[in-house]
Amino acid sequence: GAVVSQHPSRVICKSGTSVKIECRSLDFQATTMFWYRQFPKQSLMLMATSNEGSKATYEQGVEKDKFLINHASLTLSTLTVTSAHPEDSSFYICSARDRVSSYTEAFFGQGTRLTVV
Amino acid sequence: QKEVEQNSGPLSVPEGAIASLNCTYSDRVSQSFFWYRQYSGKSPELIMSIYSNGDKEDGRFTAQLNKASQYVSLLIRDSQPSDSATYLCAVRSSGGSYIPTFGRGTSLIVHP
Repeated sequence: GAVVSQHPSRVICKSGTSVKIECRSLDFQATTMFWYRQFPKQSLMLMATSNEGSKATYEQGVEKDKFLINHASLTLSTLTVTSAHPEDSSFYICSARDRVSSYTEAFFGQGTRLTVV
Repeated sequence: QKEVEQNSGPLSVPEGAIASLNCTYSDRVSQSFFWYRQYSGKSPELIMSIYSNGDKEDGRFTAQLNKASQYVSLLIRDSQPSDSATYLCAVRSSGGSYIPTFGRGTSLIVHP
C-alpha cells in the first residue's frame, strides 16, 4: 500500500511550548490529509481535514488557534500544537488520501505519541 | 449524526478458530467500508475494503457487507495470536470530502 511517513514518532515537551508534527506521503500525491487524535482505549477522533493549498477544516470542538495545520504541498502536511498542556498528551495520527484514485482509502502514518510534562 | 457501532469486546478466541467481528452503521448512503487493525501503541493498518454487497476474501480474512441491514463484518479464519489487536470498522459516504467515520473498535484476543 501507499506509504505515509509521520515524524516524530514520540515527543516529550514542557507545558507551554509548541510541538510540530510532520506527515508526508512518500510515493503518492495527497489531495487530502486528515489529522486524528486518539486517547487510550478510545477510537480515533478526527480533528481536522486539510486540502493542499487551502485552509484546514476543523471538527467541532477543536481549537484552530491551538492546533495549527498547514498543507503547503501535495506531499506534506504539518500539525503544530501550540502552548501545549498536559491534557494535550495523546496519540496523534495523520492519514493521507491518494488524489488519483477516489476509491482508495486514506493510509495512516505511524502516529506521534505526545507527552506534555 | 453518522454512527458506526462495534462491540468493544474483548472477543477471546482460541488459536485456529474463526473470529467474527461485527459492525453496524447508521448512514444509509454509505458507499465504502473498511476494516483496520491496530496494535497497541501503533497506528491503524488497512486490512480490507469492501464496496458492494456480499463477501470479499483476502487470505484468512473475509469481509461481508449487507447494505440492506447496514451491517459489515470481518471473519478471520485460523486465528493466530499475532491477530490479537483492536479492529476498527470505518464507513464512508460517497462524494464530499471522503471523510470516514470510525467505530470504537473491537479488541480481539487469540489465546494459544
